[in-house]
Amino acid sequence: NAGVTQTPKFQVLKTGQSMTLQCAQDMNHNSMYWYRQDPGMGLRLIYYSASEGTTDKGEVPNGYNVSRLNKREFSLRLESAAPSQTSVYFCASSGPEGTVYGYTFGSGTRLTVV
Amino acid sequence: DQQVKQNSPSLSVQEGRISILNCDYTNSMFDYFLWYKKYPAEGPTFLISISSIKDKNEDGRFTVFLNKSAKHLSLHIVPSQPGDSAVYFCAASEVMIKAAGNKLTFGGGTRVLVKP
Repeated sequence: NAGVTQTPKFQVLKTGQSMTLQCAQDMNHNSMYWYRQDPGMGLRLIYYSASEGTTDKGEVPNGYNVSRLNKREFSLRLESAAPSQTSVYFCASSGPEGTVYGYTFGSGTRLTVV
Repeated sequence: DQQVKQNSPSLSVQEGRISILNCDYTNSMFDYFLWYKKYPAEGPTFLISISSIKDKNEDGRFTVFLNKSAKHLSLHIVPSQPGDSAVYFCAASEVMIKAAGNKLTFGGGTRVLVKP
């Protein structure tokens, strides 16, 4: 089925370890996003890519880096994981017109940093 | 400071009754508002939206009301069904359509439990 695919679904890291969360969409969307969900905080934007070749910081970018590998793929990297990065991470895409109701979310990656 | 707030973290309602979810925002530049529904272990899915030029939008059992002067919107679910049990997120955007990179700002969510 068409949509947004995230891998892995679950991950446990030790403090200081690094990892990359992968995201791919097959809807030919221009824009892609990374959000994190924390209890009571809703979804907060980490980074986004308005179009292939561009990336911008969102509300909570510290401790993360991103790569828009091509139009389909947008990865999120934690260089040195910290317990504060324990969260559920959602990738989303929108477009091609960038309409907000065109947002499609992946099923999430649950990350625990111990 | 959160620009979009959902002050009720949870709501319990009997099947067949009305569920009312509330959302407040502070950014006067927000022009388009949405509600998303999220089941456990799934990503949020779009439910209903409203533009600031309207004060009401209805889609089946779901109605969203917008009071722009009060910076307040609400979602009504009538009648509530057990399958409506989920977390509901309010979200806002400064524009409805943007060439690229249209960002959404989300509230903290309200967990709804509909009892049979």
